[in-house]
Order: sequence, then structure tokens, then C-alpha cells
Amino acid sequence: GNSVTQMEGPVTLSEEAFLTINCTYTATGYPSLFWYVQYPGEGLQLLLKATKADDKGSNKGFEATYRKETTSFHLEKGSVQVSDSAVYFCALEPNTGNQFYFGTGTSLTVIP
Amino acid sequence: DVKVTQSSRYLVKRTGEKVFLECVQDMDHENMFWYRQDPGLGLRLIYFSYDVKMKEKGDIPEGYSVSREKKERFSLILESASTNQTSMYLCASSFSDRAEQFFGPGTRLTVL
Repeated sequence: GNSVTQMEGPVTLSEEAFLTINCTYTATGYPSLFWYVQYPGEGLQLLLKATKADDKGSNKGFEATYRKETTSFHLEKGSVQVSDSAVYFCALEPNTGNQFYFGTGTSLTVIP
Repeated sequence: DVKVTQSSRYLVKRTGEKVFLECVQDMDHENMFWYRQDPGLGLRLIYFSYDVKMKEKGDIPEGYSVSREKKERFSLILESASTNQTSMYLCASSFSDRAEQFFGPGTRLTVL
């Protein structure tokens, strides 16, 4: 079946620290992979995506590379800011159908 | 910009009441989705629709129904609300399969 496993939170970092949030997936075929972010009191918004193996998605200083060999899509940022405090969700969409599968979310707090 | 709006940000209902949650998108998207979000469980798909008057069950449809009479509007119905349906409800839409989902701000429903 299809599933996403992401790193448990919460994560607390100091400003300018390096961030990694791990995400691994199980899927048949070649899914598309996504990272969504949810700021306090808001809905989810797309942060970045990758649609095939070795693709790198990037946005707002965040990056994630689609690794088929390790079935992973880890989120990274070199220097986090207070404004990055949010909940981050990894998700996949299988290559058949239109249902998304979300991880449980990782809460990030960045302190000044 | 795509806009997905939900009828209420906060809602308080009593056990046994019939509850309607409305979602409207303004970008002529084919697909619409209802999720519930609970701490530690991430997002779970309740129902989705890929066309007017069409609906598909997601992972947790029990206790819910949906209606899609017009392309832009997708309603979630709790026929007889129960306390275990207290949750955050998120609506999303997408243009087609394997396309980004756009989310509304969410409705936090409390059932007393």
C-alpha cells in the first residue's frame, strides 16, 4: 500500500541552525512527492514538490531530493528563521488515482 | 491565486445535530477533498470528488456524507454529530490528477 513516515516532532532549533526533517515513503510505481507547510491558524500550503526520481524541489531556501533508492524525500534548510516555525507535512500521490497520502506532520519551532 | 474558502473557521455543535461544512473553490478545479486533521494522526481523507455529483470514499468515511451539486462547491455533512468528530476539517481542491492540492483555512469543529 501507500504510506508516508516522517520524523517525529516537535523540533526546536535556534535561528540560523540547519534543519533536516526526514520523510520516507512506501508506494507502488512512481509517486509524486510533496512537502506542505501549515503556519499557525492556517490551512496547508505547498512548499515544494518533485515528480520523478532524482528531482530536487526547492522553495524559500528549503530543498528536498526524490531518492528512489532509499524511498526518501528529506526536507532541508541551511539556515532557519523564526518565521519558519510551522508544521511540515510530507505527502505522496501515487501515479494512479488522485488521492494524497500525508505523514503525521512535524512541528518546528525556531527560537531567536 | 487559487482561493479555497470554508464557511466557518470555528463551529460548536451539540451531539446529535446535523452539521454542514461548506467549501468553495474559485479556480474551476475538477477534484475536491475533505480531510480531518488530528494531533499525531496527520491528515486523513474522508471523501473526495472528481466531478459534479461524483464522490469517492476516503480512508474514514463513516459518520460522514458529502454533496457536490456544483463544480465549485463541496459540502461535508455530519448526519448526527458525535463527540469523536471534534476535529479540524480541511477542504482542498486540485485541477487534475497528479496536481498540487490547494487547501482552505480549515474549520475547527467542537461537538459537545
